Amino acid sequence: GAGVSQTPSNKVTEKGKYVELRCDPISGHTALYWYRQSLGQGPEFLIYFQGTGAADDSGLPNDRFFAVRPEGSVSTLKIQRTERGDSAVYLCASSSTGGDSPLHFGNGTRLTVT
Amino acid sequence: GNSVTQMEGPVTLSEEAFLTINCTYTATGYPSLFWYVQYPGEGLQLLLKATKADDKGSNKGFEATYRKETTSFHLEKGSVQVSDSAVYFCALSPDTGRRALTFGSGTRLQVQP
Repeated sequence: GAGVSQTPSNKVTEKGKYVELRCDPISGHTALYWYRQSLGQGPEFLIYFQGTGAADDSGLPNDRFFAVRPEGSVSTLKIQRTERGDSAVYLCASSSTGGDSPLHFGNGTRLTVT
Repeated sequence: GNSVTQMEGPVTLSEEAFLTINCTYTATGYPSLFWYVQYPGEGLQLLLKATKADDKGSNKGFEATYRKETTSFHLEKGSVQVSDSAVYFCALSPDTGRRALTFGSGTRLQVQP
């Protein structure tokens, strides 16, 4: 079956611009996670949704970052006033129930801020 | 806070060699421990896990034992193949109810024929 899909796969934007990154989780998965991975580092947690609500947004670095999941399926990560330090691969993962059920990751969106 | 430390790579081995990738962690309580693998061009995928002390996770010939006394979860395989070339990430999930995984920085494995 289809895995986690992230679009676009690559995004280049200028400093100060607004970007949206999209994640389509595996159908039926109630838990959805966003991570950010900088070069040579492991993924760093940003936010976790259970259904439509953000159950844990403690990893969002500042108020320029925001994520939504209005219908409990597709999620969008939004970054305002992008900075060069935001350049990274943004990973989305879903799992069937959260907890210790395995995470299924997408291939990520590589964001480059020039 | 929680943290995971992995040995730096790249690790370069010949086919059929024995593999060890070290992983140690810092966490309160009794976290669950995981190894994730990222093959070239693919997303991260779960390789194995262990949820309590002395548990051994295993999959595809890889094994790791949850050692609470040494706060370690080293990944081992007796005979690696070229197809095992990938980046391996150790991770933990705390037992506090917070669902976010904390990852190590990853170890790149290159297996040469």
